[in-house]
Formats: sequence, structure tokens, C-alpha cells
Amino acid sequence: TQLLEQSPQFLSIQEGENLTVYCNSSSVFSSLQWYRQEPGEGPVLLVTVVTGGEVKKLKRLTFQFGDARKDSSLHITAAQPGDTGLYLCAGGASGGSNYKLTFGKGTLLTVNP
Amino acid sequence: GAGVSQSPSNKVTEKGKDVELRCDPISGHTALYWYRQSLGQGLEFLIYFQGNSAPDKSGLPSDRFSAERTGGSVSTLTIQRTQQEDSAVYLCASSLGTGPGANVLTFGAGSRLTVL
Repeated sequence: TQLLEQSPQFLSIQEGENLTVYCNSSSVFSSLQWYRQEPGEGPVLLVTVVTGGEVKKLKRLTFQFGDARKDSSLHITAAQPGDTGLYLCAGGASGGSNYKLTFGKGTLLTVNP
Repeated sequence: GAGVSQSPSNKVTEKGKDVELRCDPISGHTALYWYRQSLGQGLEFLIYFQGNSAPDKSGLPSDRFSAERTGGSVSTLTIQRTQQEDSAVYLCASSLGTGPGANVLTFGAGSRLTVL
């Protein structure tokens, strides 16, 4: 069974601060996705990384996939209140079941104005 | 439609009753997924449909759970003889393709099930 550990579980910061969320596993994933979920809504895909060592930037968000494809991080620069939400990482299984995503439990981020 | 539509958005039922949850995926999306999100837990894979292929039911927690997809579009998740531990948000997602980097999932808003 593949597991993804996310840390921290909760994060409350002030507007303008930087933060990093981590997603770790002992398993290798074919891809790694990051989602943001707001209350009463489904998760919304932010990014997909597929290559070990890959770095992707989305405005103030930087995503990195570990060289061994077992871990990932999400860094937010100068956080805004609009960044508040539940951030979920999800790893795609290897082989023929790569459609099956394993999700972490999430990091609940609160950005205070 | 423009997005994945799920109904009902909220369902409160009594223990032992059957419930049906419906998902209307994005038109043209051949892949459809059901996930369950319990309080404090990550999303748990339940079932996957792709075109006319046999579904992957490996995530269904018990034989009380079943799902079908009619005409390659709308899907229904049925839970028989509901138990309190079935209380959760049931999320449906669809995607145009699958595979590393290609399974861009669009989720619906979910159906929140409460079993009393």
C-alpha cells in the first residue's frame, strides 16, 4: 500500500510570509499532483509533475518533485488571504494502475490579513 | 456541462437505509472516478471507469458499495444498508485521459452523506 505523508497538518501564517508544505513517501510515484480544496468544493488541480527533480512555478507557487520521485514540496512566496485552503498532494501509481491516485491527508493553510 | 455535477449535495439518512449518489461528468471525458473523503482523512479511491472497459472496483470498502456507469456518461454510486462509518463526502471526478501527467481530474463539489 502506497502512503503519502503531508506536513504540516495545520499552518496559520500572516499575509506576506513564505511557507513550504511537504509530501513524503517511501514509494515511487509515476506522477505527483497538488490540489487546493475550499470548503464545500471539490479539489482543484494546481499542478502535475512527472519527472524526478522537476520544478514548476505557478505565479507565487513553486512545486518540486524529488529526484527519486518519492517526495514533493510546495512553496508559497508572500502568501495572500486568497491562498487559504486545504492543500492536497496526490501520487499516481506506477504501471498499469497509474490512474489510481493516493492522496495525502492535506495541509490546512490559513493566511491572516 | 461545464463541470462535474453531483447530486444530492447533502444527504441525511438513517442507519440501514440504502442511498444513491449521482455523478454527471464533463461531456467527452471517458474516465470517471469516485473518491471518499472522511473527516481528517485524505481522499480514498473507490472505483474507476474508463470507456467500455471493466471498472476497477478495488477501492470499494465492502460489498454494500456498488457503482455503475450508464452509456459511458452518468454514474451512480449505491450504498446499501448504510452504516455510521459510511458518513463522508463522496467525490466524483472525470478526466479526458489517463496516465502520468495526462490524468487531469476535474472534481465535482461532492455529496455529503450523514448516516444517523
